Amino acid sequence: DTAVSQTPKYLVTQMGNDKSIKCEQNLGHDTMYWYKQDSKKFLKIMFSYNNKELIINETVPNRFSPKSPDKAHLNLHINSLELGDSAVYFCASSSLLTGDYGYTFGSGTRLTVV
Amino acid sequence: GQQVMQIPQYQHVQEGEDFTTYCNSSTTLSNIQWYKQRPGGHPVFLIQLVKSGEVKKQKRLTFQFGEAKKNSSLHITATQTTDVGTYFCAGLNAGNNRKLIWGLGTSLGVNP
Repeated sequence: DTAVSQTPKYLVTQMGNDKSIKCEQNLGHDTMYWYKQDSKKFLKIMFSYNNKELIINETVPNRFSPKSPDKAHLNLHINSLELGDSAVYFCASSSLLTGDYGYTFGSGTRLTVV
Repeated sequence: GQQVMQIPQYQHVQEGEDFTTYCNSSTTLSNIQWYKQRPGGHPVFLIQLVKSGEVKKQKRLTFQFGEAKKNSSLHITATQTTDVGTYFCAGLNAGNNRKLIWGLGTSLGVNP
């Protein structure tokens, strides 16, 4: 059973297109995150939802819009894709309630914009 | 803003040698976490340290949290090729448990 699963694993698309990445966790965690990892490996937080409420919204272009239909799902929609959006996007989850703050990451979505 | 500095950025060792990576925060942390990311993989949670001066061990890995809760280290004894990857520290601000502050990672290479 995959704890945090995200789809698709790879995404190659042209500039200007709109795409979505989906994420689901079956750990019963109350908080989910989207991270962007560029070629230099830096992990940059983009968004976080706690029980469907947006709690972290970093300086990200408004072409990126998260959606959390329930606390087990957090999707990321990207409009008008640009070359600079190429990166690996990781979904993660954790439990703020229990105080055990370790994150569980999905396997990542490698986005390539051409 | 709050930063977590991590050094070194890269290190290559001969198999069997020891390795240490260090993290320093500009502010006091409530806890610090360590993650390992294998090449092409995703970050995997290793451990969380909470108490001042805490030391935890996982087989050949030893994790320390400084007395002032502003620095931490990960030491690997007798590295193996399976230790290859990038090691990240990430800290939670004492006043905000919602946002991890990540170090830039230390990439470890091990020559067999």
